[in-house]
Amino acid sequence: KQEVTQIPAALSVPEGENLVLNCSFTDSAIYNLQWFRQDPGKGLTSLLLIQSSQREQTSGRLNASLDKSSGRSTLYIAASQPGDSATYLCAVFCNAGGTSYGKLTFGQGTILTVHP
Amino acid sequence: SAVISQKPSRDICQRGTSLTIQCQVDSQVTMMFWYRQQPGQSLTLIATANQGSEATYESGFVIDKFPISRPNLTFSTLTVSNMSPEDSSIYLCSVEEGARGLNYEQYFGPGTRLTVT
Repeated sequence: KQEVTQIPAALSVPEGENLVLNCSFTDSAIYNLQWFRQDPGKGLTSLLLIQSSQREQTSGRLNASLDKSSGRSTLYIAASQPGDSATYLCAVFCNAGGTSYGKLTFGQGTILTVHP
Repeated sequence: SAVISQKPSRDICQRGTSLTIQCQVDSQVTMMFWYRQQPGQSLTLIATANQGSEATYESGFVIDKFPISRPNLTFSTLTVSNMSPEDSSIYLCSVEEGARGLNYEQYFGPGTRLTVT
């Protein structure tokens, strides 16, 4: 059974700092990994998608890496801003054991607060 | 990418009643997914809804409690039946695009925030 763990559970940083969020998963047989952002009480916004054959993806100030063999991914946020404050969720997509479809398994999330 | 809307966006319901949540997508999709996010928790998949067949439920979720309809390729409903305060959660609909292993990605609706009193 796939399990996804995110560290740290919460992070508070001053504006302008570079930061790293960590995600690990137990089963390396994944199709891809997604990083999402969730604002309080809201739905999910997809930030970055890394296919299993890729090592990293970049979008603006965000960079996500994937080491499939070791079951790890990191989300790097450069020059953090108060508007980056949100919960960041990591999810891996893999076969739903024995079925014909896949499923996303989510980590618990990292609550990020960037203070001015 | 698919644009997903959900109704209602939030509701406060009394225990013992039922609520039906609607999910509408702006394009035809094969698979639709329903997730639950309990307060302070991450997302848990409730079921997968494939048009033309019965929904497939994950362990711990049953059809009597969470009946799902999928009448066409752009619409689905999830009903939360005989509600109790433990059902207070955000319920999210999602769809998939792309081919598995290639450019597969899931997109999520804005969620329905349910409070049961």
